[in-house]
Amino acid sequence: NAGVTQTPKFQVLKTGQSMTLQCAQDMNHEYMSWYRQDPGMGLRLIHYSVGAGITDQGEVPNGYNVSRSTTEDFPLRLLSAAPSQTSVYFCASSLTRNRGATNEKLFFGSGTQLSVL
Amino acid sequence: RKEVEQDPGPFNVPEGATVAFNCTYSNSASQSFFWYRQDCRKEPKLLMSVYSSGNEDGRFTAQLNRASQYISLLIRDSKLSDSATYLCVVNRSGGFKTIFGAGTRLFVKA
Repeated sequence: NAGVTQTPKFQVLKTGQSMTLQCAQDMNHEYMSWYRQDPGMGLRLIHYSVGAGITDQGEVPNGYNVSRSTTEDFPLRLLSAAPSQTSVYFCASSLTRNRGATNEKLFFGSGTQLSVL
Repeated sequence: RKEVEQDPGPFNVPEGATVAFNCTYSNSASQSFFWYRQDCRKEPKLLMSVYSSGNEDGRFTAQLNRASQYISLLIRDSKLSDSATYLCVVNRSGGFKTIFGAGTRLFVKA
C-alpha cells in the first residue's frame, strides 16, 4: 500500500527559483490538502481540493499555486521561492470532502524539507 | 489569537504517570475534533477522534466540552513510546478546512 507519496524528501532552492512538490495518493481519496509546518506554529493549511478540478485557498496561500487535474495528484508549485518559504511541507488526503465527519481521518505523506537560501 | 490553542509544554513525566493535555478552540462552528500524534521529523498520524460523549481507547481518553470550547486528552500509565508531540485538530463546519494546533510535547522518562 503506497498511501500518500510525496517527492522530493529534501530540496534546497535559491531565492527566486521555482519548483513543484509532488503529491500522489492511490486510495481514490476525494479530499487532498497541503500544509506547511514551522516551529511553534503547528501545521498551517496552504491549499486544499475537494475533487478533481476543484481547489481553494487555506490559511497561507500566498506564493503557492495548486491544481487538481486528476483524483490522484495534487502538486504544489512555488512560483518564486523566498526564504520565508523554508519549512516542512506535508500533503494529506482523506476519503471524502466531508470535514465534519468524526471518522474523517487524514492520511499524510512523509513530508518535504524545503530550504530556500 | 490562534483558532486552536495548546500548551506547547514540554511535559516531562515518569513512566507510569498519568498526564492530561487541554486544547481550546475559538470557532463555535467547529464540528469535529481529533487528536493526532507526531513523532520527531515524521508525519502526523491519527490517535483518536473525539466524540461529544467522550471516548476511550486503551490508555487514552478524550473528552469534548462544547460549552467551554475545549477538548482534552488523558494518557494513563505512560510508556516511553508515548513520547511525541500531540496535535489537537478541529474541523470547521460549512467549509473544508482542517485546523491544527501547534502541538504539546510529551517526554516520558524511565
